[in-house]
Amino acid sequence: LAKTTQPISMDSYEGQEVNITCSHNNIATNDYITWYQQFPSQGPRFIIQGYKTKVTNEVASLFIPADRKSSTLSLPRVSLSDTAVYYCLVEMDTGRRALTFGSGTRLQVQP
Amino acid sequence: DAGITQSPRYKITETGRQVTLMCHQTWSHSYMFWYRQDLGHGLRLIYYSAAADITDKGEVPDGYVVSRSKTENFPLTLESATRSQTSVYFCASSESGGELFFGEGSRLTVL
Repeated sequence: LAKTTQPISMDSYEGQEVNITCSHNNIATNDYITWYQQFPSQGPRFIIQGYKTKVTNEVASLFIPADRKSSTLSLPRVSLSDTAVYYCLVEMDTGRRALTFGSGTRLQVQP
Repeated sequence: DAGITQSPRYKITETGRQVTLMCHQTWSHSYMFWYRQDLGHGLRLIYYSAAADITDKGEVPDGYVVSRSKTENFPLTLESATRSQTSVYFCASSESGGELFFGEGSRLTVL
């Protein structure tokens, strides 16, 4: 299973764009990339998923370069409520789903 | 109500006792997962299940037992609780290849 590496923590200010990068050097052809957000005392919740190039939804964008060895979650104009831990997962598109979370990136948004 | 529910939400027990954490989902999702999250750390996969009567070990299965006799239920049993099993336990479910939906967590303290 592909192992992921993320920065332990990041700081930002309200209104700024935040980019969190995840490295997954041994990603396989069938793997796709998913990001989750976790607030204190809650379970993680899905943010975005992609396989290559760029994916955008109402809350975030996901950029995946051609070699797919990394991915970047982009949060536009963050607010205090975006303070959370963000996890990157790499998942094989097979029947076996031993989905493991890394340590995640703790984002702190300041006023 | 539709969703995924865990019980109990809070549990205090003593070393050596058996504890069962319940997880119930109403979506008929094929996959179910148990994670533990120690204070200030990421989630670690304990066990997962691809369908009724099919379970598989995750990263940290020792000391835990699971069963899945019905699609909607995935109980996690600590046969003889230890202090190192003090943690928050999250159950999740998903369809194949789909996003994970997490429960609210069960906070277990082993004295």
